[in-house]
Amino acid sequence: KQEVTQIPAALSVPEGENLVLNCSFTDSAIYNLQWFRQDPGKGLTSLLLIQSSQREQTSGRLNASLDKSSGRSTLYIAASQPGDSATYLCAVRPGRGAAGNKLTFGGGTRVLVKP
Amino acid sequence: NAGVTQTPKFRVLKTGQSMTLLCAQDMNHEYMYWYRQDPGMGLRLIHYSVGEGTTAKGEVPDGYNVSRLKKQNFLLGLESAAPSQTSVYFCASSYSGEYNEQFFGPGTRLTVL
Repeated sequence: KQEVTQIPAALSVPEGENLVLNCSFTDSAIYNLQWFRQDPGKGLTSLLLIQSSQREQTSGRLNASLDKSSGRSTLYIAASQPGDSATYLCAVRPGRGAAGNKLTFGGGTRVLVKP
Repeated sequence: NAGVTQTPKFRVLKTGQSMTLLCAQDMNHEYMYWYRQDPGMGLRLIHYSVGEGTTAKGEVPDGYNVSRLKKQNFLLGLESAAPSQTSVYFCASSYSGEYNEQFFGPGTRLTVL
């Protein structure tokens, strides 16, 4: 059974510092990995999706890397801002043949960026 | 486009009551999902659908039923609510193809007394 872990569970950094968020998964046979952001009391917003054949994906200040063989993904947020404060979740989709594109989620990392 | 919408946003039920949560998407997605989110448990898949008229069980299906009569709607029903079903419920949808990014609704906060 796939298990997804995000460590640390919480992170506090001063504004301007780069953020590094980790995600690990136990079964490397994934189809893709998705990073989400969740603000308190809100739904999930998709940030980046990395296919299993890709090594990284970038969007603005966000960069996500994927090392499928070691079961790891890292989300980098450059020059953090107070508006980046949120919970960040990663989720993996199992490999081909698994029905429904079901995702397995990590527990999330709660980020606080202090002004 | 509204994306994924959910109704209601909040609901309080008494044990044994029934209710239906409605999810609607206007992105013409084939796949739709219902998750619940609980502190310390993360997001867990309840049921999902790969197309109109089809449904399948997820990780925690007991106590819930679903229906997908129209492609754009996915309904989650609780026939006899229990306090253990107090949670935040999220609906999501995606295309069936390779770039199957999941898009989430704003959630429904349900309390069962």
